[in-house]
Amino acid sequence: NAGVTQTPKFQVLKTGQSMTLQCAQDMNHEYMSWYRQDPGMGLRLIHYSVGAGITDQGEVPNGYNVSRSTTEDFPLRLLSAAPSQTSVYFCASSYSSRVVAFFGQGTRLTVV
Amino acid sequence: GNSVTQMEGPVTLSEEAFLTINCTYTATGYPSLFWYVQYPGEGLQLLLKATKADDKGSNKGFEATYRKETTSFHLEKGSVQVSDSAVYFCALSLSYGGSQGNLIFGKGTKLSVKP
Repeated sequence: NAGVTQTPKFQVLKTGQSMTLQCAQDMNHEYMSWYRQDPGMGLRLIHYSVGAGITDQGEVPNGYNVSRSTTEDFPLRLLSAAPSQTSVYFCASSYSSRVVAFFGQGTRLTVV
Repeated sequence: GNSVTQMEGPVTLSEEAFLTINCTYTATGYPSLFWYVQYPGEGLQLLLKATKADDKGSNKGFEATYRKETTSFHLEKGSVQVSDSAVYFCALSLSYGGSQGNLIFGKGTKLSVKP
């Protein structure tokens, strides 16, 4: 019972580089989301998906892309990293709008 | 819009003191309410939840009651321990529309408990 698995745990990027943060869940949840956590800001929603093939923007989507080709996976792509994207990223999944989200352990990203 | 407001931290208490962390919300419809805890260096963990008015969520000695009339979900614990030192987040989840299943968080309240 792995739950929500995020990789990598840590990453350092140079400005302008691209990368993909991986998120996988083994609970057959329909809803998956990406959040970023910044000091004093709480968690803010980047993108979310209500099922395979369906994605939508959250509060802070600029600079990020997502896709959902399977129920299990929901990768987050940074197209051209910027220092403002230095943050801790959390992936979450839920099976219902009223049921608690399960969180991954987070990816700490630094853009230099 | 929909939002969650938590009391500002940090909160510093002595062991066995009483804890209250205030949380109020603004939401259209009937949200579910949650408290999450984040220990240093870790991800978020669900602490407790309530899905309708007057529900009381409880776990590990923590309690919170969903008060629709005051739009509040304050977290309480009668006697805190050093191991309760963490950041606590209040959050809501909407039950309709395109934002189903997504959480709206407060900014978090850091709690430090001294021996």
